[in-house]
Amino acid sequence: NAGVTQTPKFRILKIGQSMTLQCTQDMNHNYMYWYRQDPGMGLKLIYYSVGAGITDKGEVPNGYNVSRSTTEDFPLRLELAAPSQTSVYFCASSYFDGAYEQYFGPGTRLTVT
Amino acid sequence: EDKVVQSPLSLVVHEGDTVTLNCSYEVTNFRSLLWYKQEKKAPTFLFMLTSSGIEKKSGRLSSILDKKELSSILNITATQTGDSAIYLCAVDHRYQTGANNLFFGTGTRLTVIP
Repeated sequence: NAGVTQTPKFRILKIGQSMTLQCTQDMNHNYMYWYRQDPGMGLKLIYYSVGAGITDKGEVPNGYNVSRSTTEDFPLRLELAAPSQTSVYFCASSYFDGAYEQYFGPGTRLTVT
Repeated sequence: EDKVVQSPLSLVVHEGDTVTLNCSYEVTNFRSLLWYKQEKKAPTFLFMLTSSGIEKKSGRLSSILDKKELSSILNITATQTGDSAIYLCAVDHRYQTGANNLFFGTGTRLTVIP
């Protein structure tokens, strides 16, 4: 099993550009999550999904959108990128809800200039 | 407002030392507390604690939860340079939708010097 995979690993965006961060898991997990981690900070939840077709906002959803058309994929869309979105983005999945072990992808380092 | 506070923020020790990392929390509808280790990239799971007073152990690492004090500690004995990492504490956080999700502390950065 590859676990949770994310692409790209690194990306530099100009202010106002858009992009999609890809996340795929092959563990047949129902729950998937997007977090961002700013320097010296813990992870903050952006969006999560409890199954295909169901998504909901986390702690810091502004400026982002998600979709979950399949169990495996959970892309994160950034519209009109801003410098405040410079961060490391982690995708994670779990078999059940947030109280259970989450498996994390390797992260995407995004810089907006 | 829900919060998770970890201390110390950073710690430098010599190989062979024993360290204790602290996590205190205030969250609604607590179900569990989890510890993760983050080296260069993604966090990796260490422990999940749900019951007060029951120690979880894995090799040189151990952790215990105190629900009365709303806190947990993570102990690492005979530290090695490979233990150098950020240790994250996370607690259940219930959102308005009723779904439970993890709320992370800022982490403790541990550096082990040879």
